[in-house]
Amino acid sequence: DARVTQTPRDKVTEMGQEVTMRCQPILGHNTVFWYRQTMMQGLELLAYFRNRAPLDDSGMPKDRFSAEMPDATLATLKIQPSEPRDSAVYFCASGRDDNEQFFGPGTRLTVL
Amino acid sequence: AQSVTQPDIHITVSEGASLELRCNYSYGATPYLFWYVQSPGQGLQLLLKYFSGDTLVQGIKGFEAEFKRSQSSFNLRKPSVHWSDAAEYFCAVVGSGGGADGLTFGKGTHLIIQP
Repeated sequence: DARVTQTPRDKVTEMGQEVTMRCQPILGHNTVFWYRQTMMQGLELLAYFRNRAPLDDSGMPKDRFSAEMPDATLATLKIQPSEPRDSAVYFCASGRDDNEQFFGPGTRLTVL
Repeated sequence: AQSVTQPDIHITVSEGASLELRCNYSYGATPYLFWYVQSPGQGLQLLLKYFSGDTLVQGIKGFEAEFKRSQSSFNLRKPSVHWSDAAEYFCAVVGSGGGADGLTFGKGTHLIIQP
């Protein structure tokens, strides 16, 4: 049963610290998405990649967030420095060109 | 820009009763439409999707949805709800252009099931 995996599942950190979230997409999927979920804003698209190339990161605060795909089996989302307003659940999803996206379980980030 | 409106923040339904969750979208061309369900502390699970063809689509767990272009709606229905259906439901839209694109989600509808 192929699934998207995300690590860590929970992260508590202090303001100013670097946070790295990792995602392993489903094997064979060529598109990876990062979403953020908060009570106030709901689910928002942060960035996505196709064939490891960044396509759109307009939803991401550029000064502190960065997203990369070092290889086809790993996507990372980094926040440096983290701030309390970054507290949210971060979801990774993967898919192919048919637009059906499969979501991981999420990383719950708490910045104190 | 595309958008999705789910007008009901909360809905309470008795177990065994029928359910309809509303979704309206705004998109300039032919959209792809989705319904996802999220249980507390969990990720999103796809219930059903509409890409083209028959406007009434069947999904998992006994759910169905009907695409109505004239009303820009994609409402989710279930004839008889179960206590396990209590969750958050999200409608989403994406353009039907070539290649995958990021989803635009509604704010969600929280479904409460009364015994």
